[in-house]
Amino acid sequence: AQTVTQSQPEMSVQEAETVTLSCTYDTSENNYYLFWYKQPPSRQMILVIRQEAYKQQNATENRFSVNFQKAAKSFSLKISDSQLGDTAMYFCAFMKRAGGYNKLIFGAGTRLAVHP
Amino acid sequence: DAGVIQSPRHEVTEMGQEVTLRCKPISGHNSLFWYRQTMMRGLELLIYFNNNVPIDDSGMPEDRFSAKMPNASFSTLKIQPSEPRDSAVYFCASSLYGRDYEQYFGPGTRLTVT
Repeated sequence: AQTVTQSQPEMSVQEAETVTLSCTYDTSENNYYLFWYKQPPSRQMILVIRQEAYKQQNATENRFSVNFQKAAKSFSLKISDSQLGDTAMYFCAFMKRAGGYNKLIFGAGTRLAVHP
Repeated sequence: DAGVIQSPRHEVTEMGQEVTLRCKPISGHNSLFWYRQTMMRGLELLIYFNNNVPIDDSGMPEDRFSAKMPNASFSTLKIQPSEPRDSAVYFCASSLYGRDYEQYFGPGTRLTVT
């Protein structure tokens, strides 16, 4: 069974600093997608970044980047130059093929607080 | 595009009452997902529709839950009768079939059953 583990329930960082959120997953599949979603207090689920497993290059989106280690099944999110607006829950998710469609499996989340 | 629209944003009801949550997917999207978010279980998929047909309802917790998609622009999730343990945030998401890696989430409905 596929599982997604986020071992850090809470993290905090000073504004303008860099923070890394951890995520590990378990799968026997070779081709899959990994995601980081942000959920601010508004509850809206916002896609931050997506990584395709067959791509060795780490995905980046402005201040957000990932460290994808396929052999170790690790997918961490680095937020550079943290901003107050980055305060949110962050969910790591794995997409698996199930019954002809792609199913998202979410981790438990990491609550990030950015302090001024 | 307005994005995925859900209504109501908040719902408070008494145990035993029927609750109906509504979702309008992004125009042109033919895949629709209902998720539930709770503190205990996190985010979990309840049901998946493709071209208005339920494909996977294995995540629906019990017979009190039902979902329909009468047309491409509307879906409902109904709980009858509701129980306090159904209190959660319910999300609807849509995507283009074959591009499920780009799921767009609605703002969610926070349901409280007292």
